[in-house]
Amino acid sequence: GENVEQHPSTLSVQEGDSAVIKCTYSDSASNYFPWYKQELGKGPQLIIDIRSNVGEKKDQRIAVTLNKTAKHFSLHITETQPEDSAVYFCAAIYGSSNTGKLIFGQGTTLQVKP
Amino acid sequence: DSGVTQTPKHLITATGQRVTLRCSPRSGDLSVYWYQQSLDQGLQFLIQYYNGEERAKGNILERFSAQQFPDLHSELNLSSLELGDSALYFCASSPRTSGRSTETQYFGPGTRLLVL
Repeated sequence: GENVEQHPSTLSVQEGDSAVIKCTYSDSASNYFPWYKQELGKGPQLIIDIRSNVGEKKDQRIAVTLNKTAKHFSLHITETQPEDSAVYFCAAIYGSSNTGKLIFGQGTTLQVKP
Repeated sequence: DSGVTQTPKHLITATGQRVTLRCSPRSGDLSVYWYQQSLDQGLQFLIQYYNGEERAKGNILERFSAQQFPDLHSELNLSSLELGDSALYFCASSPRTSGRSTETQYFGPGTRLLVL
C-alpha cells in the first residue's frame, strides 16, 4: 500500500547537538522525497528534497540521505538551534509520473533545548 | 511566505452545513493540491488539479469536491459536514510545466475548520 513510516515521533536534543529523523517507504517506484518543517499555526515549509538519482544532498546544516535499495531516507540536522524546534514531516511521491500525490510520514516533533 | 494564499484562515460551522475553501496558487503554477491535516490521520492527500483538470485523487470523501477555475484558483467544497471533518485544510501548488511528478509543492497557510 501507500505508506511512509517516520521515526521517532518525538526527539529532544541539546542546542548544538545533531538530530536524525528516519523514514521508510513502500513503493519502489517513488522517486522524489521532500522534507517539510511545520511551525505552530503555519503551513508545511519545504526545507530540503532529494530525487532518486542522487544518494545524498546537503544544504548548510541540513542533509538528506537516500537508500533506494532499502527504501529509506533520513534527515540530518547538525549544530541544532532553538529555532529548529518544530514538527518535521518526510514524504514520498506516489502514483503515475503525471501525478504529484505526496504521502506523508506521521511527523517528528523536534525540541532543541537551549 | 510561499506565495500560496488561502481563505478564510478560520471557519466555524455546524454539522450538516456546507463550506467552500479557496486557494490561489503561486503566480504561474498550474497544479493545485489539497491536503487535510487532522490529529489522528496526519497530513493526507485529497486531490490534485492541473490546469483545470483533475489529475489525481486520494481518499477524498464523496461529500467533498473541488475544482480549478480558468484563472487557476481552486475551491474545495465540503458538504454535509460532520464533527470528524474538523481539521486543517492545506492547499499547495507546483509549476508542473514539464509534466514530471517531482516538482516542489509549496504549501499555503491553511484553513482551520471547526465543525460544532
